[in-house]
Amino acid sequence: GQQVMQIPQYQHVQEGEDFTTYCNSSTTLSNIQWYKQRPGGHPVFLIQLVKSGEVKKQKRLTFQFGEAKKNSSLHITATQTTDVGTYFCAGNTGGFKTIFGAGTRLFVKA
Amino acid sequence: EAQVTQNPRYLITVTGKKLTVTCSQNMNHEYMSWYRQDPGLGLRQIYYSMNVEVTDKGDVPEGYKVSRKEKRNFPLILESPSPNQTSLYFCASSRTSVSGELFFGEGSRLTVL
Repeated sequence: GQQVMQIPQYQHVQEGEDFTTYCNSSTTLSNIQWYKQRPGGHPVFLIQLVKSGEVKKQKRLTFQFGEAKKNSSLHITATQTTDVGTYFCAGNTGGFKTIFGAGTRLFVKA
Repeated sequence: EAQVTQNPRYLITVTGKKLTVTCSQNMNHEYMSWYRQDPGLGLRQIYYSMNVEVTDKGDVPEGYKVSRKEKRNFPLILESPSPNQTSLYFCASSRTSVSGELFFGEGSRLTVL
């Protein structure tokens, strides 16, 4: 079945360092979404990418969708303690199922 | 305020005792879905509903039932809970049945002894 692999599982950074998490799908995706879950909270939508090669930015966050629409990345520049949480990618192949990656938990040391 | 409301937020129960986790959304969304979250496994879809009276299995439907009699409500039923259903459960909704931004509830932490 369709799988979405996400790496790394954990990342410890010093405040001010950059952070990247990667997602790879076993099948071509129609779109990919990114969510953030703060510790003890619920997932909150960040962004959706639809087009091949698409790049979107939200302040210090940069999201990319691969040319083949099978991979994606989230890059955070100059992390802050407020970035702490788990980041999930979620892929959709055009149907009614959204498959989530296992998430990358980000720890930021002040 | 637009929201997805789940109840109960926390529940400890015993094996075999039927329970229902309710989910309600006030955004008139067509699509609703249930996920369970377990360490290292991310969010796995249990069931989803494209609209009233239309439901389908996700990736881990065994041991669960759902119904969608009204557009706003999508309860998750555990007929005979077992310890392997101890998990954090999230209900989510989306405007249409085509993929789009999912709005999540606060989560329901269930422990089955």
